[in-house]
Amino acid sequence: GDSVTQMEGPVTLSEEAFLTINCTYTATGYPSLFWYVQYPGEGLQLLLKATKADDKGSNKGFEATYRKETTSFHLEKGSVQVSDSAVYFCALTNTGGFKTIFGAGTRLFVKA
Amino acid sequence: EAGVAQSPRYKIIEKRQSVAFWCNPISGHATLYWYQQILGQGPKLLIQFQNNGVVDDSQLPKDRFSAERLKGVDSTLKIQPAKLEDSAVYLCASSLGWDRVSDEQYFGPGTRLTVT
Repeated sequence: GDSVTQMEGPVTLSEEAFLTINCTYTATGYPSLFWYVQYPGEGLQLLLKATKADDKGSNKGFEATYRKETTSFHLEKGSVQVSDSAVYFCALTNTGGFKTIFGAGTRLFVKA
Repeated sequence: EAGVAQSPRYKIIEKRQSVAFWCNPISGHATLYWYQQILGQGPKLLIQFQNNGVVDDSQLPKDRFSAERLKGVDSTLKIQPAKLEDSAVYLCASSLGWDRVSDEQYFGPGTRLTVT
């Protein structure tokens, strides 16, 4: 069945460092791919999405490109801030059944 | 615009007791989801409604869990009887339902259930 695998955390970075959180998926068909974020004490919220191959989603300085050839959707940010400290979840929704599957989440700590 | 509302926020029960959670989605959202999130894991879809019809409940433990969405708006999720392994955060989410593959889901704050 469909699945999402993301890098284990926690990831600890200093402010202004470059961030990459890896995400790979297994799915038949043409899923949409998402990154959701959960800030401390808050609910899950959409960070960005991409709905077809080679699409790039972007928001708040974060980017991720839908790579069908490598079945990946890695999250990147050029310069992280303390306020980016959160748990990041990669997810997909597939055309067969419209079920959304989440990865296990990656916790990011950014130090000042 | 009001967000997804859930209640209660916290619940502690003993095993074999029953519990119910309530969710009010964003007005006008046709699709409603219930997820179970165990500590350290990502959310797992339990059931998905489109208006008041069930789209997917393949991961709902139907011997103890039930859910309904009356009149295509509010929803309740019930567990009866609860087991220790049901301790988790139960998340409700909703989406417009126009494109169920690419729709953004809006999440409520969740209900943290502890079964002792």
